[in-house]
Amino acid sequence: AQRVTQPEKLLSVFKGAPVELKCNYSYSGSPELFWYVQYSRQRLQLLLRHISRESIKGFTADLNKGETSFHLKKPFAQEEDSAMYYCALSESGGYQKVTFGTGTKLQVIP
Amino acid sequence: KAGVTQTPRYLIKTRGQQVTLSCSPISGHRSVSWYQQTPGQGLQFLFEYFSETQRNKGNFPGRFSGRQFSNSRSEMNVSTLELGDSALYLCASSLAGNSYNEQFFGPGTRLTVL
Repeated sequence: AQRVTQPEKLLSVFKGAPVELKCNYSYSGSPELFWYVQYSRQRLQLLLRHISRESIKGFTADLNKGETSFHLKKPFAQEEDSAMYYCALSESGGYQKVTFGTGTKLQVIP
Repeated sequence: KAGVTQTPRYLIKTRGQQVTLSCSPISGHRSVSWYQQTPGQGLQFLFEYFSETQRNKGNFPGRFSGRQFSNSRSEMNVSTLELGDSALYLCASSLAGNSYNEQFFGPGTRLTVL
């Protein structure tokens, strides 16, 4: 069974400080990992995916298969980064059966 | 282009009743997935439809069912409602429903069971 764990329910950081949102997964096959974000009063939306190897809004995430982790990082937090972040997993190339973590609320303190 | 729409946005039912929720995907998208979101369990996958066929199903009882029409619009039905079915139900659409396609989420339907 696939499982995604986000150990922190709430992460508070000061503006300008580095951010790291943790995500660990368990999956026996070849996983595709995602980060979704939900800003206040907005829809859930895709932030980035490991296969794209992109930096979106200054965020990056590296898939570490040895540690089965996909942590989301940003060197300098901005107030507009305050949101709910969900790590998610699906089978690479497979149909969309996405397993979500329970989410981490990021609060950036001005 | 218009985003994913869900109707109704809010719904109040009583235990034992049944409910039908509707989802209209983005034009051209053929895959629709449904999720249940609760404070305790987070986002849980219900099922996914593509070209009117259910391709994947999560671990929910048979009271939860769905269907997809030829225009890709989808409905989900919950029969014999229980208090624990109170949740935000989200649908998401994508082009072909494989992991390489981005999912676009609707605003959700908030179901309250009394």
